[in-house]
Amino acid sequence: SQKIEQNSEALNIQEGKTATLTCNYTNYSPAYLQWYRQDPGRGPVFLLLIRENEKEKRKERLKVTFDTTLKQSLFHITASQPADSATYLCALDPSSGGYNKLIFGAGTRLAVHP
Amino acid sequence: DSGVTQTPKHLITATGQRVTLRCSPRSGDLSVYWYQQSLDQGLQFLIQYYNGEERAKGNILERFSAQQFPDLHSELNLSSLELGDSALYFCASSVGSKAGAKNIQYFGAGTRLSVL
Repeated sequence: SQKIEQNSEALNIQEGKTATLTCNYTNYSPAYLQWYRQDPGRGPVFLLLIRENEKEKRKERLKVTFDTTLKQSLFHITASQPADSATYLCALDPSSGGYNKLIFGAGTRLAVHP
Repeated sequence: DSGVTQTPKHLITATGQRVTLRCSPRSGDLSVYWYQQSLDQGLQFLIQYYNGEERAKGNILERFSAQQFPDLHSELNLSSLELGDSALYFCASSVGSKAGAKNIQYFGAGTRLSVL
């Protein structure tokens, strides 16, 4: 069956360290993979999109990798800050470039402690 | 602020009732998407409209229906409500209908539905 899996347990890290979140998927061949941030009671906010032919994408303190062989994406936040505390969702389009119907993982809650 | 407006923010109703959730997309966006987020199911895609036409459907119940109007706003109608329909309902919008870097989805703040 098709699945997107993210670390279900919360990730607790110290301020200034690098947070690494994992997204694994099975039985999909997505053309794109996206990462969103969601704060409690708020809508998801788009962070980064990576294409299947891109190994890595960066935006300020954020870095995403995409390994289509391992069917895995890693999301890194360097020099983490308490303000980075949120739930991070990975999402993909199962139609591989067709209709923009996103399938989301359950999310990983990140808590950055001062 | 994403530019996507959802009303109402909160809705409390009883089982068996019918409610309408409203979404105004970002200026210039032609696609509207509806998602349901509950504690046990996560964020689930319901349905997509593009310029007034239905484009993609997810696991949307037959009791639920949606439409997109000529001014591009959209409404999600939920009827014969059950306790299990209690959830956050999000609307998102994008410029086009196809997946890709130019069609990022921008989400509204959501409507929290409580069915008692």
